[in-house]
Amino acid sequence: DAEITQSPRHKITETGRQVTLACHQTWNHNNMFWYRQDLGHGLRLIHYSYGVQDTNKGEVSDGYSVSRSNTEDLPLTLESAASSQTSVYFCASGSASETFFGQGTRLTVV
Amino acid sequence: GENVEQHPSTLSVQEGDSAVIKCTYSDSASNYFPWYKQELGKRPQLIIDIRSNVGEKKDQRIAVTLNKTAKHFSLHITETQPEDSAVYFCAAKGGSNYKLTFGKGTLLTVNP
Repeated sequence: DAEITQSPRHKITETGRQVTLACHQTWNHNNMFWYRQDLGHGLRLIHYSYGVQDTNKGEVSDGYSVSRSNTEDLPLTLESAASSQTSVYFCASGSASETFFGQGTRLTVV
Repeated sequence: GENVEQHPSTLSVQEGDSAVIKCTYSDSASNYFPWYKQELGKRPQLIIDIRSNVGEKKDQRIAVTLNKTAKHFSLHITETQPEDSAVYFCAAKGGSNYKLTFGKGTLLTVNP
């Protein structure tokens, strides 16, 4: 069965470190997204990609970057982790209609 | 850009009662409106969706209605059960834009 997987599931890192969260999908979707989820804010879009070599900023992109070198993967990099980036991160992929989410990564920045 | 408002933020009902969650959107070009259910510690799961050329869609105990003129859509859950307890998110997607904009979520609690 097609799936979208994230790794790691949990991570603790120190302020100032660079961190990369992985996202891999086997749906063969062109569209991939990164959201963060915080209490009271719902799901907010960080970055998204509509295909290989395409990347776009979402509403909360500061301090994050993504790259899309193939269809299956969209890694999310925190350039210099800050405590404000402690959150649950969800990767998603989709077609023109349905969008599916990965299991999430809980990131704690100490 | 698109803005989606969702109400209420919390909803408590007795088992067997109905629950209604309402959302409004701002972009008249939006044409796809999914609803997600998220249980504690889990990923959001798509439960039902509706397109702008349809006014209502049902799937067993859940239904979604859409009023394009007023730019609002609603989720209806009938005969609620304790396992319906979760956070529900509405979302909107428009035209050639494939990204979803989410409401802030509704915590539904079904009391046995």
